Amino acid sequence: GDSVTQMEGPVTLSEEAFLTINCTYTATGYPSLFWYVQYPGEGLQLLLKATKADDKGSNKGFEATYRKETTSFHLEKGSVQVSDSAVYFCALSPGGGADGLTFGKGTHLIIQP
Amino acid sequence: GAGVSQSPSNKVTEKGKDVELRCDPISGHTALYWYRQSLGQGLEFLIYFQGNSAPDKSGLPSDRFSAERTGGSVSTLTIQRTQQEDSAVYLCASSPRGGDDTEAFFGQGTRLTVV
Repeated sequence: GDSVTQMEGPVTLSEEAFLTINCTYTATGYPSLFWYVQYPGEGLQLLLKATKADDKGSNKGFEATYRKETTSFHLEKGSVQVSDSAVYFCALSPGGGADGLTFGKGTHLIIQP
Repeated sequence: GAGVSQSPSNKVTEKGKDVELRCDPISGHTALYWYRQSLGQGLEFLIYFQGNSAPDKSGLPSDRFSAERTGGSVSTLTIQRTQQEDSAVYLCASSPRGGDDTEAFFGQGTRLTVV
């Protein structure tokens, strides 16, 4: 079945550091890929998405590129802020009319001032 | 309301009791999803509704779990004869039409503790 693998963390960085959170997936067909974020005390919210190979999703300074050849969707940000501290979830939607997201286990990101 | 609303926010129940969890999706959203977030397990998909019908129940972990949706709006997730392994945060999400590229909007979840 479909699956998503991401580094679990916690990942601790200093403010203004470069961030990469790795995400790889296994899926049949042509999934759409997502990053969701859960800030402390809040619900999950969509950060960015990409629906086909080579698409780049971007939002709030974060980027991720849908790489079919490496089945990856790594999340990057050039300069993190304390306010980016949260849990980040990589997810896929299988496509082909099926529905329901398959999530990774989440990566807890801690940014220190 | 403006977002997906879930109730109760916290529920403590004794092993063997039945519980009902409620989800109010965003008005006009036809697709509704239930997920479970367990420590160490991440987020698991449970069930998906399109309108009042559930084309995908593949994630329900056992026959103690059931869900319904009425009027294309409110949904209830029922867990019968709760077990300690049912303890988790149950998340509901809705989206305008479903489909594999649409954003799902999540509620804050119901934290269920079975003692």
